[in-house]
Order: sequence, then C-alpha cells, then structure tokens
Amino acid sequence: RKEVEQDPGPFNVPEGATVAFNCTYSNSASQSFFWYRQDCRKEPKLLMSVYSSGNEDGRFTAQLNRASQYISLLIRDSKLSDSATYLCVVFRGDSWGKLQFGAGTQVVVTP
Amino acid sequence: DTAVSQTPKYLVTQMGNDKSIKCEQNLGHDTMYWYKQDSKKFLKIMFSYNNKELIINETVPNRFSPKSPDKAHLNLHINSLELGDSAVYFCASSQGGTANTGELFFGEGSRLTVL
Repeated sequence: RKEVEQDPGPFNVPEGATVAFNCTYSNSASQSFFWYRQDCRKEPKLLMSVYSSGNEDGRFTAQLNRASQYISLLIRDSKLSDSATYLCVVFRGDSWGKLQFGAGTQVVVTP
Repeated sequence: DTAVSQTPKYLVTQMGNDKSIKCEQNLGHDTMYWYKQDSKKFLKIMFSYNNKELIINETVPNRFSPKSPDKAHLNLHINSLELGDSAVYFCASSQGGTANTGELFFGEGSRLTVL
C-alpha cells in the first residue's frame, strides 16, 4: 500500500463550480500535511499547509481528519487558472524534511 | 533571480552513457534534495544533504552519485544510464533542522530521456 494515495482524476470542473477531493495517508505518525500544486511540465509549488482545525486561503479550503487519516482540498469558484495537478504531501516531522508525495489529482477547469 | 536552478533542463542520451545534472540554490537553505518524478508522476526522494552531509539515501542504484561541494550546490551524476532512468529529476531545497516547515522549493526540473 502506498503511503499517500490520491484519486488521479481528472476532475473536469466547469468554471465557477466547486470541486473537492481527498487524499489518504497510511502512517498514523505523520505530523504535517500540505497541498502542492504542479502545473503541466513545471515544478511543484506549495499551495497551502493543512492544519488540524482546517484552514482557508482565499478560494481554497483544506481539512485534516486524523481519525480517518485523510486530508481534503476544496476549491470554490473555480478559475481556468486552477487547472493543475494537486499533490498531497505528508511530513513525518523528522528534521530533514523527508516528504511523502502522492501521485496527484488532476483538475481541469473548463470554460 | 531564480531561487533553485538546475541545468541542463533537457538531456537526451544513449543507454550506457554517463551524465550529470547540476543544482544551485540562493535561498541560504541548509538542506538540498534530489527527487525523481517518473511517468506515473510519483515524486520520490533520492537523496538529501544537509550542510554538505548526506542525510537521506533512499534505495537508489549506486550508479547515481550525488555530490555537494558546498551547501548551496548539489549535483547528481549518473553512470551507465538505463532506459528506466528516463524521468524528470527535480532538485529542491528547504530550511533544515528544527526550522523545517516541510516546505520545499523546487527547481524547474531536468527532463532526462535515455534512448
């Protein structure tokens, strides 16, 4: 079983709609969680951290459910520029930043 | 001003050749990494260095040899290239130690194609 699993998609979303997707992780000792965004043929970039209480950053909302070991990302009012692959990332908290990446969920926002 | 830069961006080479990828970061970070992203898009860590010292060495064939001449540079040399080495190789850096927030800054990637 992979340490971080995601639905690969693609999620085809009309512009202006809401899309949400989850990521599950297997290691209950995981301490920190992140969503990264990767555009086609580009490098991954940090989108947002995920906090236990849930957090928002503009149109993006991230949630963490430790009991069920999953995190979620919700995008409201989708823009064409939101089209990308969203990588779920889990950090076990060791000093050297060994992050575990999911394979990503592809989101395609259509006009 | 590119924070993490790696060269070359594209490499096309024959099986059996040796190639190197260079990486430099100007963020003042202590920790640098090499990640491999294969055709299935999984990003897997290969190596991590902290202040020139090897910290993480995943199960990588010993044909791959990293070298960190100083904390701002981490190069990757690959011997006897194989078809399965075709991938995008990303260099990254982060603030190591207790200040590590888990945020990585990636270079633009080096796309290696082995024929």
